[in-house]
Amino acid sequence: ETGVTQTPRHLVMGMTNKKSLKCEQHLGHNAMYWYKQSAKKPLELMFVYSLEERVENNSVPSRFSPECPNSSHLFLHLHTLQPEDSALYLCASSPLPGEGQETQYFGPGTRLLVL
Amino acid sequence: GQNIDQPTEMTATEGAIVQINCTYQTSGFNGLFWYQQHAGEAPTFLSYNVLDGLEEKGRFSSFLSRSKGYSYLLLKELQMKDSASYLCAVTNRGSTLGRLYFGRGTQLTVWP
Repeated sequence: ETGVTQTPRHLVMGMTNKKSLKCEQHLGHNAMYWYKQSAKKPLELMFVYSLEERVENNSVPSRFSPECPNSSHLFLHLHTLQPEDSALYLCASSPLPGEGQETQYFGPGTRLLVL
Repeated sequence: GQNIDQPTEMTATEGAIVQINCTYQTSGFNGLFWYQQHAGEAPTFLSYNVLDGLEEKGRFSSFLSRSKGYSYLLLKELQMKDSASYLCAVTNRGSTLGRLYFGRGTQLTVWP
């Protein structure tokens, strides 16, 4: 596969469930990102990882827990979510500064519905 | 803070030209991106402007004026498949690695 892939593409979960979103990039990048996209709102940055180290946690509630085991994989662990967390969750990757133009390439997203 | 403003919706007809504007107010501006996003799909990279002027890429061009805090995306010879949301995003010097500040997106509808 090429580019950035995400699984699952769609997820329905109850407020007491625990689930994980997975992202994998095949571009050789060393930075990875999680974004939340809600209707009528700009893309919101949630987390940034550089060489598997978290460099930003953008005031995200603790019910969202990211994990980056290596530079190709990124997870978002979800637990006790709220209905307002329903959104499209997008993963992206990019080169680091000095490695090339820092364009972010996005995965197709996971459409999450919390009931 | 950052303020990125773009029109919410635009419509145009097939074969026409459309210009989507983006204005921004940010400290330490470092570059501006345009992305295209079809419904239910990933945003895809269209262009990146750092210096003033026009960058042309086939049917799509992007313009930047740093002094005016203004950019536009120009789409020529519109096709039905160009119906999508177009996202403007800026980066800042000194902000966290790779941090992009996005506008709300402009939903373009192309009519036959």
